Amino acid sequence: NAGVTQTPKFQVLKTGQSMTLQCAQDMNHEYMSWYRQDPGMGLRLIHYSVGAGITDQGEVPNGYNVSRSTTEDFPLRLLSAAPSQTSVYFCATATGLWGGNTIYFGEGSWLTVV
Amino acid sequence: GQQLNQSPQSMFIQEGEDVSMNCTSSSIFNTWLWYKQDPGEGPVLLIALYKAGELTSNGRLTAQFGITRKDSFLNISASIPSDVGIYFCAGANTGANSKLTFGKGITLSVRP
Repeated sequence: NAGVTQTPKFQVLKTGQSMTLQCAQDMNHEYMSWYRQDPGMGLRLIHYSVGAGITDQGEVPNGYNVSRSTTEDFPLRLLSAAPSQTSVYFCATATGLWGGNTIYFGEGSWLTVV
Repeated sequence: GQQLNQSPQSMFIQEGEDVSMNCTSSSIFNTWLWYKQDPGEGPVLLIALYKAGELTSNGRLTAQFGITRKDSFLNISASIPSDVGIYFCAGANTGANSKLTFGKGITLSVRP
């Protein structure tokens, strides 16, 4: 997990609150992405970015916003938290979209929405 | 969309045993990947496969890219307690719009 830093590690939100999960990388990777992990569901792609200023939707984008103003940072914003967004969130970086041997995951952010 | 199937959801083996995990897809992938996730951690890449029929080893782990490009398997030999974790397969294709698709994972438990 070296080089990919996620904050916070744990967060409890009330329904309707907004918050931002931070992801920072120091590997100069162009590709950054956010996944959520739910029991029995594996890892599902929320949003991804192929470079600064470029973002796109993944499999489950609803309720989340992202921006990529710099190569290093890719924050994930929850606009109005819902209990269905209780999950573990992983940020990942890579040198390319499908470069399997260059994908690095952060340590995860555990989010609970009550 | 593309889906990867991993089953069963959980596996229980005795320390020292070998275990095999399979991953199948309804569509073709050009790249197959296997990840392991330890409790409280992010997934870590174990093996990457880039060619149909390719067989690659990483210590006690061996993975193969199926000839049809629709499946892959991972073998763990002589299991040890630290093999406990969730094992994910993932597939990807080349191209500007390609994404990495993950299976739902198999939770492996190793009894000492």
